[in-house]
Amino acid sequence: AQKVTQAQTEISVVEKEDVTLDCVYETRDTTYYLFWYKQPPSGELVFLIRRNSFDEQNEISGRYSWNFQKSTSSFNFTITASQVVDSAVYFCASGTGANNLFFGTGTRLTVIP
Amino acid sequence: EAQVTQNPRYLITVTGKKLTVTCSQNMNHEYMSWYRQDPGLGLRQIYYSMNVEVTDKGDVPEGYKVSRKEKRNFPLILESPSPNQTSLYFCASSLEGSLGQYFGPGTRLTVT
Repeated sequence: AQKVTQAQTEISVVEKEDVTLDCVYETRDTTYYLFWYKQPPSGELVFLIRRNSFDEQNEISGRYSWNFQKSTSSFNFTITASQVVDSAVYFCASGTGANNLFFGTGTRLTVIP
Repeated sequence: EAQVTQNPRYLITVTGKKLTVTCSQNMNHEYMSWYRQDPGLGLRQIYYSMNVEVTDKGDVPEGYKVSRKEKRNFPLILESPSPNQTSLYFCASSLEGSLGQYFGPGTRLTVT
């Protein structure tokens, strides 16, 4: 079975600081997918990104960037110049599909104005 | 607007009283799932469905039932709720199993 570890339970940063959320996964599958989801204080879950195991290219989307390193089984998420609206719980997930998807326990990010 | 809807959003019930949480998506998605979210445990999959009449157990299926008679609907049934099923429940859907999922707004269930 897959396992996802988000060792950082809570992180607090001051607005405009950069912050990296760590995600380490375990799998025996050669083909798998990695995801990040955001859960703002309102409670809904918002899909941020999906990566497949064959694509190790880093991705940048505005202030968000993701670093996928197969060698360390990590899929870390960096927010540059954090804003108060980034305050949320962030979940990393890994699996071979919707029928086999495992979530980490989440990292609560608080951005202090 | 593309969305996943769940009803009710909040429910307080008593042990043993059967209940159904409805889930509907308007995106013609093949895959639908139910998750529960508990503090310190993240999200855990209860059941999933790959298409109409095709459902299978996730990690924590005990005490739950589902059905998928229509593509858009995927209700979660608790035949005899117990206090350990007090949780926040999310329904999700995706076009394919490997794609990111759209989540419903969540249903907070309390069983006393």
